[in-house]
Amino acid sequence: GAGVSQSPSNKVTEKGKDVELRCDPISGHTALYWYRQSLGQGLEFLIYFQGNSAPDKSGLPSDRFSAERTGGSVSTLTIQRTQQEDSAVYLCASSGGLAGPREQYFGPGTRLTVT
Amino acid sequence: GQSLEQPSEVTAVEGAIVQINCTYQTSGFYGLSWYQQHDGGAPTFLSYNALDGLEETGRFSSFLSRSDSYGYLLLQELQMKDSASYFCATSGGYQKVTFGTGTKLQVIP
Repeated sequence: GAGVSQSPSNKVTEKGKDVELRCDPISGHTALYWYRQSLGQGLEFLIYFQGNSAPDKSGLPSDRFSAERTGGSVSTLTIQRTQQEDSAVYLCASSGGLAGPREQYFGPGTRLTVT
Repeated sequence: GQSLEQPSEVTAVEGAIVQINCTYQTSGFYGLSWYQQHDGGAPTFLSYNALDGLEETGRFSSFLSRSDSYGYLLLQELQMKDSASYFCATSGGYQKVTFGTGTKLQVIP
């Protein structure tokens, strides 16, 4: 079936503007993760959704960042009043079934550039 | 909290064998996963170890020692296309997953 999709693939925005990043997980996957990856760096956990449970927001770097997941499927990551240090690739992943969180499927990412 | 450490870079010759190590400090440890990421691409799942020992998947094998909080990824018969970054990651059941710092593997002719 279809994999994880993200949109837009690239986003250039001016400092101070708000941006919304979208993630469509694999159908039926109950867990959804957002990560941030700066150039040449590792994956920084941002937020995790599991079914209908309250999300784990412990990785969000500031209150400018928020995310929601509607109907247990599509998720939107919102960054308000963007700053240049927010420039990075934002990756979404989903997992589910017997494999659980140990096997995540990643989307192609959204490359965010704040000018 | 959870932390995983890996060497930052490894260089190996085409056709050779390379081992990428991962040491971890975690709470609620359930297992160790490995992911491959080519430049500009998304991470892709390679293998998972829940129990001590070696898991083999083609040219790739992964090892775990829970008593030593240590694991490694073994790549055999290296090919140029194996040049990529490799990440270990821990999962604590249905909890967030923490990724290691990543190892950039360069395969040279």
